[in-house]
Amino acid sequence: DAKTTQPPSMDCAEGRAANLPCNHSTISGNEYVYWYRQIHSQGPQYIIHGLKNNETNEMASLIITEDRKSSTLILPHATLRDTAVYYCIVLETIGYMLTFGVGTQLTVNP
Amino acid sequence: EAQVTQNPRYLITVTGKKLTVTCSQNMNHEYMSWYRQDPGLGLRQIYYSMNVEVTDKGDVPEGYKVSRKEKRNFPLILESPSPNQTSLYFCASSPLRSIQPGELFFGEGSRLTVL
Repeated sequence: DAKTTQPPSMDCAEGRAANLPCNHSTISGNEYVYWYRQIHSQGPQYIIHGLKNNETNEMASLIITEDRKSSTLILPHATLRDTAVYYCIVLETIGYMLTFGVGTQLTVNP
Repeated sequence: EAQVTQNPRYLITVTGKKLTVTCSQNMNHEYMSWYRQDPGLGLRQIYYSMNVEVTDKGDVPEGYKVSRKEKRNFPLILESPSPNQTSLYFCASSPLRSIQPGELFFGEGSRLTVL
């Protein structure tokens, strides 16, 4: 699976949009981009995933560049409860060895 | 309620004393996996299983064993625990779909301390 690069930390003001970048320049054509988050030491929580097109669900939006070498997770109106470590992962259908990396620590400030 | 259940949640043990951390899921998922989490190292995969009787090594399998005799259970076995296996452990499961990987559902975690 392709490796990802994320900034170690980011800050965001409560109520503003949080834009979390992820670089995956070696991604192959059949690899999906997944985002998870982990609040404190709880089990990670699935957020969203995509292949080529932008995706939106009740939690977030995922913007994938046309060349698929990077993506951005958008939390449109961040709240204090969104403070967490966010992980970007790329994954093929077959070969389910997943590497989470260290992710981005997002801190939402009041 | 759909969930992944790990036991024990907390355990303090001594070097060399065999232990098993159980993991059970009630979602009929084919895929199950174990991770360990250590400060500054993120989540690292120990073992994973694509289905019953099918297991594969992840990034850090040394010192661990797993088995998948039933679809719902995926125990993690430490035959002779050592202090470097002190960590926070997570079990996860996922449905396998023909077109795309399914999202992972994680357990609450098991904090293990080996003295």
